[in-house]
Amino acid sequence: GNSVTQMEGPVTLSEEAFLTINCTYTATGYPSLFWYVQYPGEGLQLLLKATKADDKGSNKGFEATYRKETTSFHLEKGSVQVSDSAVYFCALSNTGTASKLTFGTGTRLQVTL
Amino acid sequence: NAGVTQTPKFRVLKTGQSMTLLCAQDMNHEYMYWYRQDPGMGLRLIHYSVGEGTTAKGEVPDGYNVSRLKKQNFLLGLESAAPSQTSVYFCASSYPTDRGVAYNEQFFGPGTRLTVL
Repeated sequence: GNSVTQMEGPVTLSEEAFLTINCTYTATGYPSLFWYVQYPGEGLQLLLKATKADDKGSNKGFEATYRKETTSFHLEKGSVQVSDSAVYFCALSNTGTASKLTFGTGTRLQVTL
Repeated sequence: NAGVTQTPKFRVLKTGQSMTLLCAQDMNHEYMYWYRQDPGMGLRLIHYSVGEGTTAKGEVPDGYNVSRLKKQNFLLGLESAAPSQTSVYFCASSYPTDRGVAYNEQFFGPGTRLTVL
């Protein structure tokens, strides 16, 4: 079956530091990959996505590249801000599965001044 | 557009009580989902629906029932609440890939925090 593994948090960084959150997946076929973000007290919202190998998703300074050879979709940002403090979820969806998402456990990011 | 809304936002139940969580979406999405979020476990799918009048089990369906009588609403029921059902519940909606899009973004509601004593 499908599974997503994320690095455990929390990740604590100083403002303007470089961020990497690792994500690897197991799936059959060619899944779509996503990063969702959950700000305190809110629901999840889509941060970025990639639908095929070598695609790079990007949004709000965050990037992730779909690496089929390493089954990875690591999230990166060059310079984090305090406002980026949130929980980040890696997820995948396989076509033909009613758009169901399989989530990783989430990684909490805390950015300090 | 309100997007996906959930009612109520918070609820405290005693063991054995029943309740219904309501999810509503105004995006005309065919697909709707109920997840629960527990610390260290991410989100797990409880039940989902691919259209009005249809429902299916997800990863953790035991102890829950659902109904989709109207396209815009998806109800999650707990017939006899247990402390193990203390969690944050999220509803989401989405659309089929055969609409010409390659990805399956889901749109989430703000969540319902349920405590079962």
